[in-house]
Amino acid sequence: GESVGLHLPTLSVQEGDNSIINCAYSNSASDYFIWYKQESGKGPQFIIDIRSNMDKRQGQRVTVLLNKTVKHLSLQIAATQPGDSAVYFCAEAWNSGNTPLVFGKGTRLSVIA
Amino acid sequence: NAGVTQTPKFRVLKTGQSMTLLCAQDMNHEYMYWYRQDPGMGLRLIHYSVGEGTTAKGEVPDGYNVSRLKKQNFLLGLESAAPSQTSVYFCASSYFDSYEQYFGPGTRLTVT
Repeated sequence: GESVGLHLPTLSVQEGDNSIINCAYSNSASDYFIWYKQESGKGPQFIIDIRSNMDKRQGQRVTVLLNKTVKHLSLQIAATQPGDSAVYFCAEAWNSGNTPLVFGKGTRLSVIA
Repeated sequence: NAGVTQTPKFRVLKTGQSMTLLCAQDMNHEYMYWYRQDPGMGLRLIHYSVGEGTTAKGEVPDGYNVSRLKKQNFLLGLESAAPSQTSVYFCASSYFDSYEQYFGPGTRLTVT
C-alpha cells in the first residue's frame, strides 16, 4: 500500500533558528495532510493541516508547505524554542469514504539551547 | 473536560494471557481509533470505529479485537498476548467530518 515517509529521522536546531521538517508522500490521490507533535511520554498533538487545493498554510509560528508536483510536504517552525523538542509526524488521507490517516515514521527535533 | 483517557497506563503480561484496554472520550466524538507505536515505526492503525456498534480493521488488526458498545468507549482486547504485541498503544477520537484526531496518553504494554 501507499505510505508516508520522511527524509530525515533526526534534526538538531539551535534555539532561535528556524526548523524545517520534511515529509514525502507517495499516494498521488492523497488530498489531506496533517502534522502532529509528540512530546516524550505523551500522545500526539495536532499542529496544523492542509488540503491539496492549497500550497501553503500558516499557523502560530508554524507554516506547512505542500508541493504536489514532487509529492513533498514540509513543516517550518519559526524561532525554534526548547519546548519544540519532540517527534513530529506527518500523515495523509484521501477522502474517498473517509479513509483513515496514514502516519509517517516521524522526525525527532532536538533544540540546542 | 478530560478529553481522551486510557486505562491502564502500564501493563505487563505473560505470553498467552488476555487483557482489555479501555479508551474513553468525553467530547461526543463519533470516530474512535486504536493505534500501536513501535520504535522507528510511527503510528499504525489497529482498528477503528465510525460509530456506536460499528468497527473496522486498520493496517495491523491481527491478534486484536475491539468493541464499541457505547459512543464514549472503545475497547481493545488481546485474547492471547504475544511478545510481538509489546508496544505503546494509543487511542484517539475525532468528529465524523474531521481528520483532526485527539489522542490519549497511551498504554505501555510489555508481553514477556
